[in-house]
Amino acid sequence: EAGVTQFPSHSVIEKGQTVTLRCDPISGHDNLYWYRRVMGKEIKFLLHFVKESKQDESGMPNNRFLAERTGGTYSTLKVQPAELEDSGVYFCASSQTAALHEQFFGPGTRLTVL
Amino acid sequence: AQSVSQHNHHVILSEAASLELGCNYSYGGTVNLFWYVQYPGQHLQLLLKYFSGDPLVKGIKGFEAEFIKSKFSFNLRKPSVQWSDTAEYFCAVTLYSSASKIIFGSGTRLSIRP
Repeated sequence: EAGVTQFPSHSVIEKGQTVTLRCDPISGHDNLYWYRRVMGKEIKFLLHFVKESKQDESGMPNNRFLAERTGGTYSTLKVQPAELEDSGVYFCASSQTAALHEQFFGPGTRLTVL
Repeated sequence: AQSVSQHNHHVILSEAASLELGCNYSYGGTVNLFWYVQYPGQHLQLLLKYFSGDPLVKGIKGFEAEFIKSKFSFNLRKPSVQWSDTAEYFCAVTLYSSASKIIFGSGTRLSIRP
């Protein structure tokens, strides 16, 4: 069974540019989560999808971040325009149910904003 | 705000030494507790979890953790570490009232000298 995949693995962009991160959850998992780790700090929750609906987006930092999950399969997280403080590792996780012990994490996308 | 504190940022041990990584959380209500591990180049994966019952929980690879409610702690232990335990370890909680988001600590990097 394929795990959670994320693309790209690394992205280096300049301040003011746009970047789109993609997450493909484990097939059949209705729940999809985005997290972010800024260097040296804790991994922070961004938002939670149930199928295509946003269940909880309380962790989204500001309106420069837009997450979508059209069709309830893969998800994208767009940052527009990117700022220096957006640099970090963005993790995606998925689960079949909302029971948290079942969240499976992807490898993360390392975003560097110059 | 709820938070998780990991006291050690970087721990260096020799093989066969005993390990204890500290974790404290700040929340007065019901919590679920987790330890995740990220081996070099790999995904975050669940090491062990506590939901209820016996406060001493055993996980994979010989790890265990003890929940002490009065101290708001969930320390991770292993009697004898191996070089392959080199990784970053994250303590995490979920709140009963908000089960969709995981609250992580800042992580402890463990380096084992062969």
